[in-house]
Amino acid sequence: DAGVTQSPTHLIKTRGQQVTLRCSPKSGHDTVSWYQQALGQGPQFIFQYYEEEERQRGNFPDRFSGHQFPNYSSELNVNALLLGDSALYLCASRFGLAGVLSTDTQYFGPGTRLTVL
Amino acid sequence: KQEVTQIPAALSVPEGENLVLNCSFTDSAIYNLQWFRQDPGKGLTSLLLIQSSQREQTSGRLNASLDKSSGRSTLYIAASQPGDSATYLCAVNTGTASKLTFGTGTRLQVTL
Repeated sequence: DAGVTQSPTHLIKTRGQQVTLRCSPKSGHDTVSWYQQALGQGPQFIFQYYEEEERQRGNFPDRFSGHQFPNYSSELNVNALLLGDSALYLCASRFGLAGVLSTDTQYFGPGTRLTVL
Repeated sequence: KQEVTQIPAALSVPEGENLVLNCSFTDSAIYNLQWFRQDPGKGLTSLLLIQSSQREQTSGRLNASLDKSSGRSTLYIAASQPGDSATYLCAVNTGTASKLTFGTGTRLQVTL
């Protein structure tokens, strides 16, 4: 059973460029969340997708956008890259939206390391 | 706004020692709290999840406790091993849609 997979593993871009990161959720999961982890920091929530819609968003500008496909895989797009966008981007998946009584953990992928020069 | 703090930021212990990692959060209205392990440059591995109604969870040499009213959680690691060396992150879930708020982590090194 494959866990959460992300591609590419590493990526180098220059300021002003656009980037697309990809995530395939764990088998049986239909909800995908994206996090940004700067060096030495904890992950910061970007947004979550369920049923192909953005359900919740963290404090990130509109340059960050996403998409979820019918097979539940997801993309994270970042436009007009800034040096500060350099980070490890993590994808997490789970089944359904978390409710008050949910006991399900989220499963994280290995991440995509983005470097902006 | 929920804020999560982890102390200490780094810790070095000799193999075999028992140790405690601390996590505190400002908003006690949480649904659950998770402890994760992160190896350098890698993703996160979930270690333990504690529901808001629970006091503790155990898995092997790991024991996590939760005191929601005081906004604190601890992760106890018994008989530490060099393979335990990693960064340990705690995260709280304070709403639906499974948004997690993370601390900055404790970097643990277990020496021979």
